[in-house]
Amino acid sequence: QVQLQESGPGLVKPSETLSLTCTVSGGSTSSSAYYWGWIRQPPGKGLEWIGSVYFTGNPYYNPSLKSRLTISVDTSKNQFSLRLSSVTAADTAVYYCARHKNFYMDVWGKGTTVTVSS
Amino acid sequence: EIVLTQSPATLSLSPGERATLSCRASRTVSSYLAWYQQKPGQAPRLLIYDVSNRATGIPARFSGSGSGTDFNLTISSLEPEDFVVYYCQQRSNWRPLTFGQGTRLEIK
Repeated sequence: QVQLQESGPGLVKPSETLSLTCTVSGGSTSSSAYYWGWIRQPPGKGLEWIGSVYFTGNPYYNPSLKSRLTISVDTSKNQFSLRLSSVTAADTAVYYCARHKNFYMDVWGKGTTVTVSS
Repeated sequence: EIVLTQSPATLSLSPGERATLSCRASRTVSSYLAWYQQKPGQAPRLLIYDVSNRATGIPARFSGSGSGTDFNLTISSLEPEDFVVYYCQQRSNWRPLTFGQGTRLEIK
């Protein structure tokens, strides 16, 4: 059974870079059948797709975040990562990693809360 | 960007009743629409993909219908655990993938 687990700092200062990693177990980020991506949910609000990456490293980004965003995959570690630069309070959210099958999110991590505050 | 509008924002029903949740797209998404369920404090769970296909392990009381711009999620007979939040999501245009704002199903 595939499981995903997010990890990274829970508190980031404004203007700094948010960095999260998702570790995949029971499955492989080298699979050609899936993309791997990130979704976030601000407190009390809905879901926002951040972006996804294929095992080749080819990324797909939400245009609203593209200028600040890097999503990468490390197949040797079975992990993929998110870096979001120049964060503000508006980036405070629960961040989920998820496996994408045909761009639907069929397996999710439990989520990690990231707060942007000084 | 394709905007998905869900209605109603909140739906009040009783256990055993039938629920119909709606999702309307700002332009056609063909048959590339999914539904997710989110319980409090948990990650969303994929219920339905490509309009009407149930994901693995999803009970038969959940069904989806529609095409183009108008879609429904139907729960045939509500169980107590169904009173949570539901989101639709389109994959017709991945620049960006988008979700609806959610419908909260509450006990009447």
